[in-house]
Amino acid sequence: GAVVSQHPSRVICKSGTSVKIECRSLDFQATTMFWYRQFPKKSLMLMATSNEGSKATYEQGVEKDKFLINHASLTLSTLTVTSAHPEDSSFYICSARTGTDYGYTFGSGTRLTVV
Amino acid sequence: GESVGLHLPTLSVQEGDNSIINCAYSNSASDYFIWYKQESGKGPQFIIDIRSNMDKRQGQRVTVLLNKTVKHLSLQIAATQPGDSAVYFCAERRRGSQGNLIFGKGTKLSVKP
Repeated sequence: GAVVSQHPSRVICKSGTSVKIECRSLDFQATTMFWYRQFPKKSLMLMATSNEGSKATYEQGVEKDKFLINHASLTLSTLTVTSAHPEDSSFYICSARTGTDYGYTFGSGTRLTVV
Repeated sequence: GESVGLHLPTLSVQEGDNSIINCAYSNSASDYFIWYKQESGKGPQFIIDIRSNMDKRQGQRVTVLLNKTVKHLSLQIAATQPGDSAVYFCAERRRGSQGNLIFGKGTKLSVKP
């Protein structure tokens, strides 16, 4: 079945630094990928929709200059958290559409801790 | 029983009993719904889905019911097992969007052996 690999699974960084999270579709091409953020004991909140070869569409309230999304190929989307602060600490999850109208696959998530 | 408060709603059931997890969705234009299971520290895992032109769909031990009149979705798990303990989310896809899924609040299912 369709597999999405997300890396790293866990990262700790210092305040002010930037962190890049990768989301790869391993056995299919994903023209559309999605990035979610999840705080403890809360639901997944959609941050942005990433389309290959074009600019990402950000949800209301998500700073596009802080959360940089690049989807340069059909198998890779990246989320870069720039100038990270402790309040950016969260669980980030990517998802990809598998090409069928009803197919979605999720990555295993990245736990970001900013100290 | 089920409790709702500041924390994630929790449903506690005895092993072997049936579980029913409910979800109210927000947009009558949504055309596709999915139930996901999420274990601690992991990404969501697909359980079952249903399209808006259906009102019931069955899987191996799970059934999803869709009531479009009241915008309500439910997940029934038969003969609940300890391995079913997790947080369950419903997700809706809004027609006309880029196909993104919007997640509900989630319910924590706790199965007592």
